[in-house]
Amino acid sequence: NAGVMQNPRHLVRRRGQEARLRCSPMKGHSHVYWYRQLPEEGLKFMVYLQKENIIDESGMPKERFSAEFPKEGPSILRIQQVVRGDSAAYFCASSPSTSGRGEQYFGPGTRLTVT
Amino acid sequence: GEDVEQSLFLSVREGDSSVINCTYTDSSSTYLYWYKQEPGAGLQLLTYIFSNMDMKQDQRLTVLLNKKDKHLSLRIADTQTGDSAIYFCAETNNQGGKLIFGQGTELSVKP
Repeated sequence: NAGVMQNPRHLVRRRGQEARLRCSPMKGHSHVYWYRQLPEEGLKFMVYLQKENIIDESGMPKERFSAEFPKEGPSILRIQQVVRGDSAAYFCASSPSTSGRGEQYFGPGTRLTVT
Repeated sequence: GEDVEQSLFLSVREGDSSVINCTYTDSSSTYLYWYKQEPGAGLQLLTYIFSNMDMKQDQRLTVLLNKKDKHLSLRIADTQTGDSAIYFCAETNNQGGKLIFGQGTELSVKP
């Protein structure tokens, strides 16, 4: 059973460009979460999605950031007009809808560098 | 609001026990988790405990929960150099919802 997959693993963007980060959840998992980890900090929740629905986006910056989890295909975290402060590791996690324990399984992350 | 605190560093000798501590503020926490992060990698779920339990043991790992003091600890018995990593404590107060993470404890194991 393949784990959570994220791509790309490393992404370099110039200021003002767009960054698209992809996440494929574990097989059978219908809940996806995105977290951001700034250097030497813990993970901060960004958004929680189920197929075609945003359940909780309380951690998303109000501008430039958006996320989707379409019926088919991976979840996408999109950052428009990136700035240096967006440089971070972005982690995706998934959990099965039937789990009462809420455990989340993490992907390897995408490390975004804005130059 | 919700907050999770951990000490930043811990250094132990190989073969000793390690105890990593965590405190949290949310009294409605239902599940608490320990994750391990090795350099450049994602987070590996080590173990979890439900809030109505006070202890859970899994091989070399022992989790203790003091709900009254909102204190969680992870004990690693017979610590090995391969246990060197950053350990994150996390909590959630509802099923399937967001995790609130501590800032991580860097465990260094010296031979």
